[in-house]
Amino acid sequence: DAGVTQSPTHLIKTRGQQVTLRCSPKSGHDTVSWYQQALGQGPQFIFQYYEEEERQRGNFPDRFSGHQFPNYSSELNVNALLLGDSALYLCASSLDRVERGYTFGSGTRLTVV
Amino acid sequence: GESVGLHLPTLSVQEGDNSIINCAYSNSASDYFIWYKQESGKGPQFIIDIRSNMDKRQGQRVTVLLNKTVKHLSLQIAATQPGDSAVYFCAENIQGAQKLVFGQGTRLTINP
Repeated sequence: DAGVTQSPTHLIKTRGQQVTLRCSPKSGHDTVSWYQQALGQGPQFIFQYYEEEERQRGNFPDRFSGHQFPNYSSELNVNALLLGDSALYLCASSLDRVERGYTFGSGTRLTVV
Repeated sequence: GESVGLHLPTLSVQEGDNSIINCAYSNSASDYFIWYKQESGKGPQFIIDIRSNMDKRQGQRVTVLLNKTVKHLSLQIAATQPGDSAVYFCAENIQGAQKLVFGQGTRLTINP
C-alpha cells in the first residue's frame, strides 16, 4: 500500500518563474494538505483541499495556489518565485479529519536561484 | 495566537539512556497533539499522538505526557538507540481547524 508520493523530489527554478508540485495521497485518503518547511524550521501550513475545494488556508500570499483532482491527487502552484520560496514542500494526506490518520510524503526540495 | 515552541533546540544523550523532549503550546483550544520524527531528507514520520482528554499515552519505547494546566507536552524515549537520532517536532491541532501548527523542532543526537 503506497503512502503519500510527491514529485519531483528536487527542483531548481529561477526567480520570477512558476512551479508546479504534485502529490498523490495515501490510498483511502481524501484530504490533502500542503506545508512549507524552511531550513531549520518546522513545517508551516499553506492550505488544505477536500472534495476538490480549498477548505482552509494559512498565511501565504495568493502566489500560492492549488488544485485537487477527482482522484484526490493535488497540485501546488507557486507563481513569481522569490528566493525566500526556497524550502521543502510537504504534502500530507488524511481521511478528512487530522485525527483519522495524517501521513506526510517525503517532500519536494525547491531551490530558487 | 498560534504557536508551538520547544524549550531546547538540541539534545544529546548516551545510547541506552532515556531522553525527554519538551514542548510548550499556547492555544488552549487545541484538542489533539502529535509528535513527529524527521530524518534528513525525509518527511515527518508519526511517532505518537494524544487527545486533550488524556494526560498520558504510551507506545513502543515512547510515552507522551500532556499537562493542559501549563500547556506543556513531552515525549519520552526509553533506551535510546542510534536510529533515534533525528529532529523531533510537536504539533497541535486547534479544535475545528483541521491543520497542524508545528514548533521549531529539537535535534536529538545519540552518542555511542
